[in-house]
Amino acid sequence: SQTIHQWPATLVQPVGSPLSLECTVEGTSNPNLYWYRQAAGRGLQLLFYSVGIGQISSEVPQNLSASRPQDRQFILSSKKLLLSDSGFYLCAWMPGPGNTIYFGEGSWLTVV
Amino acid sequence: SQQGEEDPQALSIQEGENATMNCSYKTSINNLQWYRQNSGRGLVHLILIRSNEREKHSGRLRVTLDTSKKSSSLLITASRAADTASYFCATDSKYNDYKLSFGAGTTVTVRA
Repeated sequence: SQTIHQWPATLVQPVGSPLSLECTVEGTSNPNLYWYRQAAGRGLQLLFYSVGIGQISSEVPQNLSASRPQDRQFILSSKKLLLSDSGFYLCAWMPGPGNTIYFGEGSWLTVV
Repeated sequence: SQQGEEDPQALSIQEGENATMNCSYKTSINNLQWYRQNSGRGLVHLILIRSNEREKHSGRLRVTLDTSKKSSSLLITASRAADTASYFCATDSKYNDYKLSFGAGTTVTVRA
């Protein structure tokens, strides 16, 4: 069966510090991978998605970047965090277009 | 951008009652999905309904889809305290490369 792992679960970082959130998927190959952000009490905003190694599409201009160095690994990064980067970040995967999307447990980021 | 919008934003019901929430969207869709999110956790997939389907059931859940009105409803029958969560609809469309677009969600509280 397929599983998705996302870490760290909780992170408190000072303004201006770097960020790295990692996500890995097991039990499948060539998944579509996604990073979403959820502000408190709000819906999900798609940040990045990837249909293959090294292929990253950005949905909104922002202070973040994403990379896919391996087929089942998706990394969300920032060189210098802003206060507005605080939020709940969710990694997700999908077998292919038009399918169910499966989410990780999320990472709480607080920038102080 | 958010394609789906849930209504109401919040719902409080007594255990044993039914809960109904609605989702409206703007452009033609391929699929519509409903997800549940417990506080501070990732999203869990509930039901996927395709654009050529009108109704689907899963246990105590019933989803309807009216493509002429661009709307869907999620009914939870005989609610339980464990149903307390936020519920999101998500749509995908060929016009958006089949990426899932989420609404802001309906927060359901089931009182014991």
